[in-house]
This record gives sequence, C-alpha cells and structure tokens, in this order.
Amino acid sequence: NAGVTQTPKFQVLKTGQSMTLQCAQDMNHEYMSWYRQDPGMGLRLIHYSVGAGITDQGEVPNGYNVSRSTTEDFPLRLLSAAPSQTSVYFCASSPVGRVYNEQFFGPGTRLTVL
Amino acid sequence: AQKVTQAQTEISVVEKEDVTLDCVYETRDTTYYLFWYKQPPSGELVFLIRRNSFDEQNEISGRYSWNFQKSTSSFNFTITASQVVDSAVYFCALSEAGGAQKLVFGQGTRLTINP
Repeated sequence: NAGVTQTPKFQVLKTGQSMTLQCAQDMNHEYMSWYRQDPGMGLRLIHYSVGAGITDQGEVPNGYNVSRSTTEDFPLRLLSAAPSQTSVYFCASSPVGRVYNEQFFGPGTRLTVL
Repeated sequence: AQKVTQAQTEISVVEKEDVTLDCVYETRDTTYYLFWYKQPPSGELVFLIRRNSFDEQNEISGRYSWNFQKSTSSFNFTITASQVVDSAVYFCALSEAGGAQKLVFGQGTRLTINP
C-alpha cells in the first residue's frame, strides 16, 4: 500500500491564482481530512469527509473548497490564493468505526503564495 | 470548545538528559481521545500514542512514557535518556468521540537534543 499520497510536494502561486492540492489513499478509509500547519499554531482542520459525497467544514474553511466523489480521493481547491494561505498542508485518512482509529497523514504539501 | 495548550515552545537539552513535554487540554466531553505526534525535520507526522479518557493508566514504551491525569487535564510526555534522534517538533492533540474524528492540535514543542 502507498498509504496517503499528496501532490505536489511544493508549489508557488501568485495571489489570485487557483489550484488543487491532491490527496489519495489506497486503504479504503472512509474518513479523510485536510489540515494546515502554520508556525506557532500547530495544525488546524480545514475540511473533512466521513465518506464519498459527504463533506463538512473544520476550523478554518474560508478560501478552500473540497469534494469527495470517490473513497480514494479528497482534493482541496484554493479558488483565489492569498498570501495568508501560505502554509504546509497535510491530508489524513482513517477508517470509521466504533473505536477511534489512528489517522494516517500524508507527507504534506508546502504552498507559498506570493 | 476544545483546546490544547503546549506552553513550552522550545526545549533544548543535552543528550542523555530526561525531558518532559507538557500538554494541557480543555473539553466539555466526557469521552475523548488524546494523542502525541512527532514531526522530525523531514516534515512527516509520526503517530506516537493514543489514550482514551477512560484509561488513566500511564504508558511506557521504551524510552517514552506518558502521564495522563484527568484531575489536572494534562497528558505529559517524558523521554528518558534523550538521544539526538529525538530532536523534532512534538504535538499533543485532542479529539471528540464519535464518527467525525477531528483533531485539535496544540501549538507544538520544538525539542532539540544536543550531543
């Protein structure tokens, strides 16, 4: 299994550009989520999904869109990039069950918005 | 609302010293989960431990140990006989029980082990 994969690893955008950060997992996990990591603030939840066709907002959803058309993929879209979105983005997945399961994190995408 | 506080922003010790990373949390839930993650310089997040709110037993795994105290809402992490490879940023996190496994992270503690 490849686990959780994220592409690209690095990206530089200009203010106002749009792009999609890709996240895929091959473990048939129902739960997927996106976090951003900023210095001194830990990781904060952007959006999450508990299954195909179901998404919801996390703590910092503004400026981001998500969709979940398949179990495997959970892309994060930046509609109009802003310098405040410069961050490291992590995707995570886990199975959903009665017991809380460990979340598996991808390697991260480092995004710089100029 | 849930909150996790890691008051120690940076810690620097000499190799072989013991070091404790503090974590204090706030939640109104009676059932919740606590976690520690390690982020080495390479940047990935490495899961270290999960503890649920009904299990207050301390845990030891090699040089690592965790002290969970509900009375003080703390979940502290101790590294015994630290090594240079322990240098990393360490995150404490909290999650509610239930199907939506949303993690609330602390700010992280950057630990540097000097040879």
